[in-house]
Formats: sequence, C-alpha cells, structure tokens
Amino acid sequence: DAKTTQPPSMDCAEGRAANLPCNHSTISGNEYVYWYRQIHSQGPQYIIHGLKNNETNEMASLIITEDRKSSTLILPHATLRDTAVYYCTYTGTASKLTFGTGTRLQVTL
Amino acid sequence: NAGVTQTPKFRILKIGQSMTLQCTQDMNHNYMYWYRQDPGMGLKLIYYSVGAGITDKGEVPNGYNVSRSTTEDFPLRLELAAPSQTSVYFCASRSPTAPNEKLFFGSGTQLSVL
Repeated sequence: DAKTTQPPSMDCAEGRAANLPCNHSTISGNEYVYWYRQIHSQGPQYIIHGLKNNETNEMASLIITEDRKSSTLILPHATLRDTAVYYCTYTGTASKLTFGTGTRLQVTL
Repeated sequence: NAGVTQTPKFRILKIGQSMTLQCTQDMNHNYMYWYRQDPGMGLKLIYYSVGAGITDKGEVPNGYNVSRSTTEDFPLRLELAAPSQTSVYFCASRSPTAPNEKLFFGSGTQLSVL
C-alpha cells in the first residue's frame, strides 16, 4: 500500500505559485511518484509523475528530494480553476493502489 | 476514445435492495480498481483486479462483490444496500508497466441508499 502524508488544506493567491508537499518515506527505489487532482466530485485526473529527476509538463512541476522520501508539486501560476483536492501516491510492482487524504487547495483572488 | 466508462451516473436505492455498478475500459489495461468517496473524504479502495479472473480485496470490501470475466469489464455488486454505502463510486484502470502506470478514472456513480 502507498503510505503518503499531505497537509489537509492550503491557500494560495491567484497568480502565485502553489507548492504542495507530500511525504512518501516508504517508497521503494523503482516506484514512481504520481500526482492527481480532483475538482469538485469529478473523477481524479492525472497531473504528473516522476522517479528521481525533477519533471515539468504543461500543468505543473514535480520536485523529488534526493532521498526520494518526499516530493513537491508546483503550480507556477495558480488560477481559480486550480482549486481542487490534490493527491500524491506511488506505484510499482505492487498492484494495490491506495490514496491518502490529499490536500485541499483553495486559490483566492 | 472513451477511456473508463461508468454507468449509471446516479442511483437511489432502498435499504436492502441490490444493484450492480458497471465499469468498462477500452485501453486494454490489466489493472482495474473500485474506489468509494464519502462526502468531504478521500478515496478508499474497495476491490481491485490484475486481470481477467483475478480479484482482491482493498481497504473497505465489506458489503461488495466484484467479478472480472473480461479485460474490459469490472462490475461492482452491492448486495443488501445499507445507508452506509451512500457514496460516490469511482472505477479506474491502468497499465502495470512503468512508467506508464497512471490511473484513468471514470466520471463516477453517485449512489444514495435511503
């Protein structure tokens, strides 16, 4: 099972960077970190994933610490539409995939 | 490409009734999952499957049953519905092969048991 710890809630001003942390100290060396977000009660959507190196795509950046025990999702210029619950998890050879409680990000004017 | 399709989108059940939540995916994914999400809470794993004919319990399996006769379909059965099963149910699928393991979710089924 993926064991992750995230702050329950965070606030961010629109236009500023949102930095969402995740602790995943039990991750194994070959397991990827994945981030998803859920807007209202829609199905969660994939944002980004990484193994060791920092990653960036059109939605966000992912910073993984050198020991891989934690990561930070960065939304560089948060908008009101980024208000959502953000989940981190990790996968590998194990098929069982669980989620923590996630971080509820509120972006304000 | 449809992805993961769930039906129905909404359903109201009376206590003691039974129903099947349907889930189908067209991505040829081996791994499929059922999650439930209570209001204001996170995702809880009910059951999962690694391929046709293989299923296993998740975190909250009581009151549910699943089957996986094909790669595409993974229905969730509720027997003797109870108010505690009022929730939003999400089906998801993924490939087991790194690094393409991202989950694809369906749009959910909102179930009320009254």
